[in-house]
Amino acid sequence: SYELTQPPSVSVSPGQTASITCSGDKLGDKFACWYQQKPGQSPVLVIYQDSKRPSGIPERFSGSNSGNTATLTISGTQAMDEADYYCQAWDSSSHVVFGGGTKLTVL
Amino acid sequence: EVQLVESGGGLIQPGGSLRLSCAASGFTVSSNSMSWVRQAPGKGLEWVSVLYSGGSTKYADSVKGRFTMSRDNSKNTVYLQMKSLRAEDTAVYYCAREAVAGTKEFDYWGQGTLVTVSS
Repeated sequence: SYELTQPPSVSVSPGQTASITCSGDKLGDKFACWYQQKPGQSPVLVIYQDSKRPSGIPERFSGSNSGNTATLTISGTQAMDEADYYCQAWDSSSHVVFGGGTKLTVL
Repeated sequence: EVQLVESGGGLIQPGGSLRLSCAASGFTVSSNSMSWVRQAPGKGLEWVSVLYSGGSTKYADSVKGRFTMSRDNSKNTVYLQMKSLRAEDTAVYYCAREAVAGTKEFDYWGQGTLVTVSS
């Protein structure tokens, strides 16, 4: 089965750039998207089709996808960005696959 | 405004059955693919099932043969019928709307309903 691998945790200082990676076999040949989930809340789509931002998502969120790695980048990270982030793609059977999630700490 | 409201969760004994509902507003469920995604306590997201706009379904291997997804167009509601429940099915269950057919990206999520499987 297809697997997506994320680092369990990433730390960043306020105002700095945070990068969260998502690795999977030939992930760059698929579309990847990213969700933000804050404690006790439902996930929110922050990046879709590798690099597009839904309406209402701040410009500091950006994404890329090439080779075996998709990356979510948060520029000028703010305290409100502290959350769990999940990447998502799908496998050859059209089953949705999520990465294990990355806890972003802003300190 | 698009809204998804799940209901039907609760405490159920192992081997039991439960039906979850996801009532939609602001769009027509038959026009979009809809999925169920679950999250065990303290764990990550796990995709469970999809109901395509054309009516076909797919399931994760972990629930195949035990869970059935359906919809009632007149009520604009999708369902997840769960049987032979196991402790490992304990999770918050979210319904989610696929933004654009074929993209498998979820632009709207419900608030979730908690299913606890325990004796």
